[in-house]
Amino acid sequence: DSGVTQTPKHLITATGQRVTLRCSPRSGDLSVYWYQQSLDQGLQFLIQYYNGEERAKGNILERFSAQQFPDLHSELNLSSLELGDSALYFCASSVGAGTEAFFGQGTRLTVV
Amino acid sequence: GENVEQHPSTLSVQEGDSAVIKCTYSDSASNYFPWYKQELGKRPQLIIDIRSNVGEKKDQRIAVTLNKTAKHFSLHITETQPEDSAVYFCAAHEGNSGNTPLVFGKGTRLSVIA
Repeated sequence: DSGVTQTPKHLITATGQRVTLRCSPRSGDLSVYWYQQSLDQGLQFLIQYYNGEERAKGNILERFSAQQFPDLHSELNLSSLELGDSALYFCASSVGAGTEAFFGQGTRLTVV
Repeated sequence: GENVEQHPSTLSVQEGDSAVIKCTYSDSASNYFPWYKQELGKRPQLIIDIRSNVGEKKDQRIAVTLNKTAKHFSLHITETQPEDSAVYFCAAHEGNSGNTPLVFGKGTRLSVIA
């Protein structure tokens, strides 16, 4: 157990819908990263937060948004879902920059 | 932004042989280079990391080397075992400003054949 909790573990939804993925970082970790992993693909960086502030953005679609709350948990919102959004979404947390990032178990999103 | 290239994408070795995975990075400001192992259906987990003030680091059968001048780093696994079969990811990070992401390579699928 990495200490990073992601909910839900599995999500099946229809095209055009909106979903919210939740991540609770390890106690004391201020940085939260979101990654997308499609079948046989690498870890595509989506967005990073540090202590409530957005710090870096990757190739995140405009249909996707995220935030980090005062209690440091983070949510990734995916809207107008398309079949191609089906993937494993990982959240990772770390104490800060340049330190080990711990991954949650991921949320497997299936869009039908 | 940072770009990390990883080779090879797949690697098959006989049990007991060595495996080497190579990565290059683009941002000369990057100073933290972790390696993650992801077993099938599981989360990525850190197996070793190296910082830019060190050229080599070992942990039992695993070693990582870093060449800052050439901007490349490598993972070496010796005496491979079937349980080493997994996908391995390298990553690079500029760890001072806190404003840059942890960027991963596309991964190497290692198969150790018994």
